[in-house]
Amino acid sequence: DADVTQTPRNRITKTGKRIMLECSQTKGHDRMYWYRQDPGLGLRLIYYSFDVKDINKGEISDGYSVSRQAQAKFSLSLESAIPNQTALYFCATSESGQDTGELFFGEGSRLTVL
Amino acid sequence: GQNIDQPTEMTATEGAIVQINCTYQTSGFNGLFWYQQHAGEAPTFLSYNVLDGLEEKGRFSSFLSRSKGYSYLLLKELQMKDSASYLCAVMDSNYQLIWGAGTKLIIKP
Repeated sequence: DADVTQTPRNRITKTGKRIMLECSQTKGHDRMYWYRQDPGLGLRLIYYSFDVKDINKGEISDGYSVSRQAQAKFSLSLESAIPNQTALYFCATSESGQDTGELFFGEGSRLTVL
Repeated sequence: GQNIDQPTEMTATEGAIVQINCTYQTSGFNGLFWYQQHAGEAPTFLSYNVLDGLEEKGRFSSFLSRSKGYSYLLLKELQMKDSASYLCAVMDSNYQLIWGAGTKLIIKP
């Protein structure tokens, strides 16, 4: 089983719908991240959390919100989805106290907004 | 602004050597990373350089020159399974990762 699990893996929705992407991890890491990946662009950070009580905006947080329900769970919500939020979304984790930057990624959630 | 540049696509032959370059301009520097990403899959960590020089790990090596804002990933004895995208990322002064768009490497028999 994957150490970082994302659900759903694929989702097609319509403009204006609320969408939640969920991430859970068994690595015991404190730090969790949500990224989106678009063709021709680098990974872009949406939100990150260094522990359960810590939530930080990333580079492109507008239109998104997150919830850190527990150390192992970090969910991403799109309150009212729009077509330019069509992308591949990755959850990632890393160990705290080490800034070597090694991230462990989930398998990705492909979201299509029509 | 912060910028990471790497070639969009490269082609190489099975058994050969390929060098993938990455140049960067960032606000501070706390390390450079290479990740491998197969099509439709998650990125996986390959290497980390924070000091100048070459880091070797099996068939893969990564080089860093901080004064030139330059790194390369060297892949030797290429195998078909090395066909993937290779992502360069730099950790800036705020310990945030800045990602390049990735280099798609195509291996031909």
